[in-house]
Amino acid sequence: AQSVTQLDSHVSVSEGTPVLLRCNYSSSYSPSLFWYVQHPNKGLQLLLKYTSAATLVKGINGFEAEFKKSETSFHLTKPSAHMSDAAEYFCVVTSRGANNLFFGTGTRLTVIP
Amino acid sequence: NAGVTQTPKFQVLKTGQSMTLQCAQDMNHNSMYWYRQDPGMGLRLIYYSASEGTTDKGEVPNGYNVSRLNKREFSLRLESAAPSQTSVYFCASRLASGRGYTGELFFGEGSRLTVL
Repeated sequence: AQSVTQLDSHVSVSEGTPVLLRCNYSSSYSPSLFWYVQHPNKGLQLLLKYTSAATLVKGINGFEAEFKKSETSFHLTKPSAHMSDAAEYFCVVTSRGANNLFFGTGTRLTVIP
Repeated sequence: NAGVTQTPKFQVLKTGQSMTLQCAQDMNHNSMYWYRQDPGMGLRLIYYSASEGTTDKGEVPNGYNVSRLNKREFSLRLESAAPSQTSVYFCASRLASGRGYTGELFFGEGSRLTVL
């Protein structure tokens, strides 16, 4: 079975401060993990993905995530938040060869000027 | 490239009416998906098509039907709409997974459906 838990439904940070969005996963097989971003009234855009290569994955717009198998975590970070980062973020898990992908319930990021 | 295109973007229905959401992708992807998004629940899979000619139920298939018309197109039909089907619907596609590769999803812009 596969599932994802996003530990915070809402995170609020000040502009210029670090961002941490937390994701824990459960997977019976070697997982592939993704982070997507959704701006208001838009579709979802891929930020980054982990597919069993380097455990530290760099994505677009300065985001990165680290795969930690021992902690079953794939937290998303950014050193310095920008106003344009305000959006909803989804963590997603699947496994190689699987047809289905499982979404977390999302974390809404608010950036305070 | 257009990517994944969904129509219509907005629709209001009365309870019991039927409608079809259309989705087309121009990336030569094998797999296509329909999700619904509701506040606080993330995205839930309705149906998917792993390849042309196949369709399978997802997490919340009741009240919906799908057709994989060809490799490019995957439609979602509501036969008798209910207020519980008020949601934002997303179509997605991906190349599919193979040896050493796990494809990511590419999403359309969404279709906002209200059932009165």
